[in-house]
Amino acid sequence: GENVEQHPSTLSVQEGDSAVIKCTYSDSASNYFPWYKQELGKRPQLIIDIRSNVGEKKDQRIAVTLNKTAKHFSLHITETQPEDSAVYFCAASRASGTYKYIFGTGTRLKVLA
Amino acid sequence: DAGVTQSPTHLIKTRGQHVTLRCSPISGHKSVSWYQQVLGQGPQFIFQYYEKEERGRGNFPDRFSARQFPNYSSELNVNALLLGDSALYLCASSLEGSGGFNEKLFFGSGTQLSVL
Repeated sequence: GENVEQHPSTLSVQEGDSAVIKCTYSDSASNYFPWYKQELGKRPQLIIDIRSNVGEKKDQRIAVTLNKTAKHFSLHITETQPEDSAVYFCAASRASGTYKYIFGTGTRLKVLA
Repeated sequence: DAGVTQSPTHLIKTRGQHVTLRCSPISGHKSVSWYQQVLGQGPQFIFQYYEKEERGRGNFPDRFSARQFPNYSSELNVNALLLGDSALYLCASSLEGSGGFNEKLFFGSGTQLSVL
């Protein structure tokens, strides 16, 4: 069935270093890949997304890359700051049938000052 | 401009009881989806509604039901509550729920349900 695997489950980095979170999806019909940041007790917030017709997208310190052949996509955060500490979720969806997101299990990122 | 609003924010119930959770989508959004987020896991899809019609259902038992009203707000109902139903229930809205090129899901802050 549809599945998204996310690694690592926890990640600690020093402030200023880079962080990379990786996801693998199973449904080859997936064509939209959003990333959400969820702080404790708050709603998931969309931070960046990518469509299957694009290989890379960047927004300031955040970038996402997509490898459709391998069914991998990754989130890259550069120059990490303490306020980047949160749980990050990747998701995959397709524009046909029921519009639903299949989420990964999340990565808890801790940026150490 | 208000985002997705959910009520109540927290709820405590006992096993066997029934619960109703409510959601108002972003103004102009016609589709509402419900997700269940168990502690330490990613959100799991429960339902999608568009124009009062159910468009999709996830792998949840018949104890879970939902509906959408003419003003596009929505209710999620859970009957015969079990301990395992304890979770954060998230509502999300989107323009049409078709996954079109500019379609995005916007989440509410959720209802934290505890079943004792």
